[in-house]
Amino acid sequence: DTAVSQTPKYLVTQMGNDKSIKCEQNLGHDTMYWYKQDSKKFLKIMFSYNNKELIINETVPNRFSPKSPDKAHLNLHINSLELGDSAVYFCASSQAGGSEKLFFGSGTQLSVL
Amino acid sequence: GENVEQHPSTLSVQEGDSAVIKCTYSDSASNYFPWYKQELGKRPQLIIDIRSNVGEKKDQRIAVTLNKTAKHFSLHITETQPEDSAVYFCAASLGGTASKLTFGTGTRLQVTL
Repeated sequence: DTAVSQTPKYLVTQMGNDKSIKCEQNLGHDTMYWYKQDSKKFLKIMFSYNNKELIINETVPNRFSPKSPDKAHLNLHINSLELGDSAVYFCASSQAGGSEKLFFGSGTQLSVL
Repeated sequence: GENVEQHPSTLSVQEGDSAVIKCTYSDSASNYFPWYKQELGKRPQLIIDIRSNVGEKKDQRIAVTLNKTAKHFSLHITETQPEDSAVYFCAASLGGTASKLTFGTGTRLQVTL
């Protein structure tokens, strides 16, 4: 059983399109995140959700919108994709008050052509 | 906000040698310092972490040291093996939780035979 799963694994699309990445965790964690890893491998947090409420939004363009239907899911919707959005997007989860370990999904390689 | 610097960006060692990766942080209020390992094409995974009330922590061939006065912490890997080859990320957290992690820029470790 995969603890944090995200789909799709690969996403190739044209500039200007809208796309979504889905994430689900079965660990019972109350905090979920989206991280972006660029070509230089820098890991930057984009969003954090705690019990369905946004608690971090790190200077991310408003073309990116996270949506959390429940605490086990955190999806990422991207409007009007740009070349610079090409990266690997990782979903993650953690349990506040616990070990603080981040459990990452396997990543979504987004390529904008 | 917190700023984490990590050195070196690449490190090549021979199998059996030791490897040391160093990080500095800017905010003296940071009190949780995890290290993540990311193998090629895989997700980052926590390998060891330390809190500010501890100066050193060991787990088999891996150790982390923390110098709060100087605001730096280091990862030490002894008796390196080819499977240690990966990108290693340090991180620092304000408030001691995963939700406020700032990652370093990563170190690509190559263990050669």
